Amino acid sequence: NAGVTQTPKFQVLKTGQSMTLQCAQDMNHNSMYWYRQDPGMGLRLIYYSASEGTTDKGEVPNGYNVSRLNKREFSLRLESAAPSQTSVYFCASFERKNTEAFFGQGTRLTVV
Amino acid sequence: GQQVMQIPQYQHVQEGEDFTTYCNSSTTLSNIQWYKQRPGGHPVFLIQLVKSGEVKKQKRLTFQFGEAKKNSSLHITATQTTDVGTYFCAGTNGQNFVFGPGTRLSVLP
Repeated sequence: NAGVTQTPKFQVLKTGQSMTLQCAQDMNHNSMYWYRQDPGMGLRLIYYSASEGTTDKGEVPNGYNVSRLNKREFSLRLESAAPSQTSVYFCASFERKNTEAFFGQGTRLTVV
Repeated sequence: GQQVMQIPQYQHVQEGEDFTTYCNSSTTLSNIQWYKQRPGGHPVFLIQLVKSGEVKKQKRLTFQFGEAKKNSSLHITATQTTDVGTYFCAGTNGQNFVFGPGTRLSVLP
């Protein structure tokens, strides 16, 4: 039982490049969230998916797109990376509303 | 939108001293959760509080939920070096799940 798995763990991009961050959970959870964490900062919500087939914007969605591919997988795409998107990205899943969040190990992204 | 604030931002304590972090929401929360993130790690769930005025303990950690369900606190008695990390509160009003900015605790041996 791996919990929440994120790939890749580290990535360096050049400005303007695109990439997709992958997240998969094996706990049959309905809700999945993407957060970014800047150095010394808290977690800011980018996008979330309350259930399979639905996605909604969070606090900082600009520059990102998401896909809830199925119940297990929720991907985050950067179409044209910018240095301001340098951050640590965390995926989290919840069984249902008002239950604990399980986080992946994070993806450390640097855009140069 | 809903905002969750935490104070202090940083806290440095000597090992053995107590530590408290406070969490305040701009809206009434249906529940509040606390997470710990070790340096270089990911947030890990500690506890959830649901009832107004609720108090829960986990060994040296005491968690409280305010009567109005808009604030919460985490108190650590006699800190140890293993307590180092950032402590986040997180709340939901039924819509999004919002994290506070965290309190970073350092413990000097």
